[in-house]
Amino acid sequence: GQQLNQSPQSMFIQEGEDVSMNCTSSSIFNTWLWYKQDPGEGPVLLIALYKAGELTSNGRLTAQFGITRKDSFLNISASIPSDVGIYFCAGQLYNFNKFYFGSGTKLNVKP
Amino acid sequence: DGGITQSPKYLFRKEGQNVTLSCEQNLNHDAMYWYRQDPGQGLRLIYYSQIVNDFQKGDIAEGYSVSREKKESFPLTVTSAQKNPTAFYLCASSPGRGQPQHFGDGTRLSIL
Repeated sequence: GQQLNQSPQSMFIQEGEDVSMNCTSSSIFNTWLWYKQDPGEGPVLLIALYKAGELTSNGRLTAQFGITRKDSFLNISASIPSDVGIYFCAGQLYNFNKFYFGSGTKLNVKP
Repeated sequence: DGGITQSPKYLFRKEGQNVTLSCEQNLNHDAMYWYRQDPGQGLRLIYYSQIVNDFQKGDIAEGYSVSREKKESFPLTVTSAQKNPTAFYLCASSPGRGQPQHFGDGTRLSIL
């Protein structure tokens, strides 16, 4: 299947710091999604991106659809303890019916 | 409230046994999906269905089967042919092709 390279694999940060993570692929994607998953629960959709260059915010979260259409970025500003969890990117290839998921970035926030 | 319901939350399977995981949605979504999640890995697609009475294999369909007799239901059977079934199984639905998927809370399957 498709490879989505998500980095970093894990992060340990102090409360109040900003966070950046990204997802890259060798293929061109039509849509990028960002999800957050808490332990033992299903992923929850954070942001959806549909156009190259698009920049979309959801509260303290901002995501961008890379201009090459092969990558996407998620930033979290002023992190708080409830930001702890695993963040997944997902991309959809043009004319395909399914999404491919990255392996996740595990975020730990120290109060 | 609208959403996706997966049951049971925890399931145990004996060797050689088939088990069925339930997924129901009341979002009126056309498309439904089943994923498998292993520790430290992303989600891998098992099966998906774009409309009732139709479904396609995903990347890891071997040892699994599905049915889509009703729009709101997409049960997954883990057969005895699946030799490593221990995992967290996630069901998702979306309004249609290319639309963001919304997930249930998962079923954790373990081998006795």
